[in-house]
Amino acid sequence: ELKVEQNPLFLSMQEGKNYTIYCNYSTTSDRLYWYRQDPGKSLESLFVLLSNGAVKQEGRLMASLDTKARLSTLHITAAVHDLSATYFCAVDGTGGGADGLTFGKGTHLIIQP
Amino acid sequence: NAGVTQTPKFQVLKTGQSMTLQCAQDMNHNSMYWYRQDPGMGLRLIYYSASEGTTDKGEVPNGYNVSRLNKREFSLRLESAAPSQTSVYFCASTPTRDSRAFFGQGTRLTVV
Repeated sequence: ELKVEQNPLFLSMQEGKNYTIYCNYSTTSDRLYWYRQDPGKSLESLFVLLSNGAVKQEGRLMASLDTKARLSTLHITAAVHDLSATYFCAVDGTGGGADGLTFGKGTHLIIQP
Repeated sequence: NAGVTQTPKFQVLKTGQSMTLQCAQDMNHNSMYWYRQDPGMGLRLIYYSASEGTTDKGEVPNGYNVSRLNKREFSLRLESAAPSQTSVYFCASTPTRDSRAFFGQGTRLTVV
């Protein structure tokens, strides 16, 4: 069974601080995706990481992928309130040879002034 | 720039009723997917279609059927709704397997 584990699942932090969300997965997939979801909204694609060592950055968010460790990180630099959301990581496949993505449970991030 | 469009946005069903959730994309994508999202969980794949005319089961297919009507449209049918199918349903599409998925706005379904 393919598993994707995120931690923490809930994070409350102050504006201006740095923090990292971790995503561990059990497959040998070398493709990993990060999504953002605002309450009651759809999922917005943040990053697509397609190879070992891939690093992508946009604004205060930076994502990286280590396929050997089966680990991806989403780093938040100098957090601002607008980054409050739920963040999901996902990997290709669903463990039974099926197409599609397997998602982590999400990290609910609250950034307080 | 419609992207992926789902209808309806909200629906309440009684146990045993049937309904079809509609999804259409205007990006000429080959692959389309149906996921469900339950509180405290990530999204779980119900069914997918890698191309027009093909459909395959995902992680949680029981109680659902799908139809890939053409390249644009992929519908999800609940033949006899159950309270356990109360969820938010998302349709998604991708141009190729290793591309990012584009998601619809979701259908919030309640079965009473």
